[in-house]
Amino acid sequence: DQQVKQNSPSLSVQEGRISILNCDYTNSMFDYFLWYKKYPAEGPTFLISISSIKDKNEDGRFTVFLNKSAKHLSLHIVPSQPGDSAVYFCAASSYNTDKLIFGTGTRLQVFP
Amino acid sequence: EAQVTQNPRYLITVTGKKLTVTCSQNMNHEYMSWYRQDPGLGLRQIYYSMNVEVTDKGDVPEGYKVSRKEKRNFPLILESPSPNQTSLYFCASSLSTGTASSYEQYFGPGTRLTVT
Repeated sequence: DQQVKQNSPSLSVQEGRISILNCDYTNSMFDYFLWYKKYPAEGPTFLISISSIKDKNEDGRFTVFLNKSAKHLSLHIVPSQPGDSAVYFCAASSYNTDKLIFGTGTRLQVFP
Repeated sequence: EAQVTQNPRYLITVTGKKLTVTCSQNMNHEYMSWYRQDPGLGLRQIYYSMNVEVTDKGDVPEGYKVSRKEKRNFPLILESPSPNQTSLYFCASSLSTGTASSYEQYFGPGTRLTVT
């Protein structure tokens, strides 16, 4: 059973506009959430994270929102740039485990 | 430069021929892990290690072995590879467990394995 779901396999956005990537989870024990970015032929790299005690975390052009009641998080990229084109994975964990559970990924394409 | 290295990057082998994929990190990280990435399934954890001589199964451990004899190295062993182990494999490491920073894992570049 997929505990972390990214229901949109792909997203296409024009340069300068906002990109919104979504992630849903089913396990209410998750209390820490992360986004990773992956370019072709490279390993994933950490992008941004959020603890369950917050509902928003911002880092430059990237903002992650967490809605615990809906078990939903989203990553906003504003403004989107062509270099943001990559696969984005959301991941979740809880402090009493040693595992990260990843979603299936969303491929973002930012076109000029 | 802080990094996680994996070797080989590409490997084509035949069913049943034992192989080892090496993983090494130079950041003195306690936690190391192996994942496989398959289309439509995302990244799934195979095995992880919280420190030297401490390993545990992830979500898909069948057909794999690991060892952690030194802090920096965490090899993945396939004793008798089968075609369903054809995948893209990633090694990752992080500082420690039990803290928020432990989830900010550093990933290697990946090993693409094909078993025929």
